[in-house]
Amino acid sequence: GAVVSQHPSRVICKSGTSVKIECRSLDFQATTMFWYRQFPKQSLMLMATSNEGSKATYEQGVEKDKFLINHASLTLSTLTVTSAHPEDSSFYICSANSGTDTQYFGPGTRLTVL
Amino acid sequence: AQSVTQPDIHITVSEGASLELRCNYSYGATPYLFWYVQSPGQGLQLLLKYFSGDTLVQGIKGFEAEFKRSQSSFNLRKPSVHWSDAAEYFCAVGVPNNNDMRFGAGTRLTVKP
Repeated sequence: GAVVSQHPSRVICKSGTSVKIECRSLDFQATTMFWYRQFPKQSLMLMATSNEGSKATYEQGVEKDKFLINHASLTLSTLTVTSAHPEDSSFYICSANSGTDTQYFGPGTRLTVL
Repeated sequence: AQSVTQPDIHITVSEGASLELRCNYSYGATPYLFWYVQSPGQGLQLLLKYFSGDTLVQGIKGFEAEFKRSQSSFNLRKPSVHWSDAAEYFCAVGVPNNNDMRFGAGTRLTVKP
């Protein structure tokens, strides 16, 4: 149980385009989903927290207009990187919990912006 | 706010040897504590967690961790390491009934044949 999927696993895009990453909880309803960014050989940096049906809460320094988060259902959250630039290249990981104080992580999405 | 420190950036052990990865936390009360493992290019897998009760917690893949309040520690142990255990290990601390979870910097484990 507690499986979280992400799609796509890898994406390469041109600078200036937008990219959407999906995060799904497959076997449980996620009251809260989280989006992290991880740079090579570094820890996870929390970008934002989203609850189903409400606006996401962004961490300080994260541009909400750049990283659009939608949590339309209890099993799906999306992160859209708008007008992506090479510095947005990173590993993006989502997680979800069902109100049990335990986060279950997706496999991550490798974004490369050319 | 809570914080967590993993003092060892990189540890190398021989296959079959015992392992201990250190984790120290800072929080005014008893936190929720987690250990996750990450293989290259993958997400994080939960190894074990401590919320309350028995301070020695058993996890998956033969790992265990012990919560020591007096030392503000939650060290991860395994009696005999396998080559497949080579990965990055993250300790995390959370606050009860709060979604705020903080991760340590991670410890990279290399296993020598």
